Amino acid sequence: KAGVTQTPRYLIKTRGQQVTLSCSPISGHRSVSWYQQTPGQGLQFLFEYFSETQRNKGNFPGRFSGRQFSNSRSEMNVSTLELGDSALYLCASSLEGLGEQFFGPGTRLTVL
Amino acid sequence: EDKVVQSPLSLVVHEGDTVTLNCSYEVTNFRSLLWYKQEKKAPTFLFMLTSSGIEKKSGRLSSILDKKELFSILNITATQTGDSAVYLCAVNAGTYKYIFGTGTRLKVLA
Repeated sequence: KAGVTQTPRYLIKTRGQQVTLSCSPISGHRSVSWYQQTPGQGLQFLFEYFSETQRNKGNFPGRFSGRQFSNSRSEMNVSTLELGDSALYLCASSLEGLGEQFFGPGTRLTVL
Repeated sequence: EDKVVQSPLSLVVHEGDTVTLNCSYEVTNFRSLLWYKQEKKAPTFLFMLTSSGIEKKSGRLSSILDKKELFSILNITATQTGDSAVYLCAVNAGTYKYIFGTGTRLKVLA
């Protein structure tokens, strides 16, 4: 089985721009979670999607949004980028959102 | 507020040493505790624990959960340089949400 894939792997943006990140889960997995990883804060939960519905959301501002498509692929969007948004964004997929999660390689976002 | 705390933050050992990594948690709706190893980018799954006192083992790695005292430990025996990584502990808080600790950075010297 192919693993979780994320695109792009690297992004450089400037403050004020917006960005869209993509995640394709393992075939058959319907739950996709997104995390932000920074050196100081570790992995912070952004949101989780299952069958195109957001079931839970972390404590991030409304500039962070996401969606999931009928094929379980998910996108995450960050608008009005700030310097503090520079981070590794990881997505993880699982069958139902309750057990083992499989992580993608991440997208490294740098905001200048 | 739900939280997961790992200790120590970092650890340097020599090959052959045994290490114990700690993870304590406070969550309102505990479902399971998971351990991951993160070397470069993607964390890779090690163990999932749901029941107290039952040790999970994989090669030189083992882990156990204490649901009464709200902690788990990850043991690595006969460490090798390839064990150098950040070890992450995560708790499934039951609402399709995983809360991660900040990790323990392990460096194994040859």
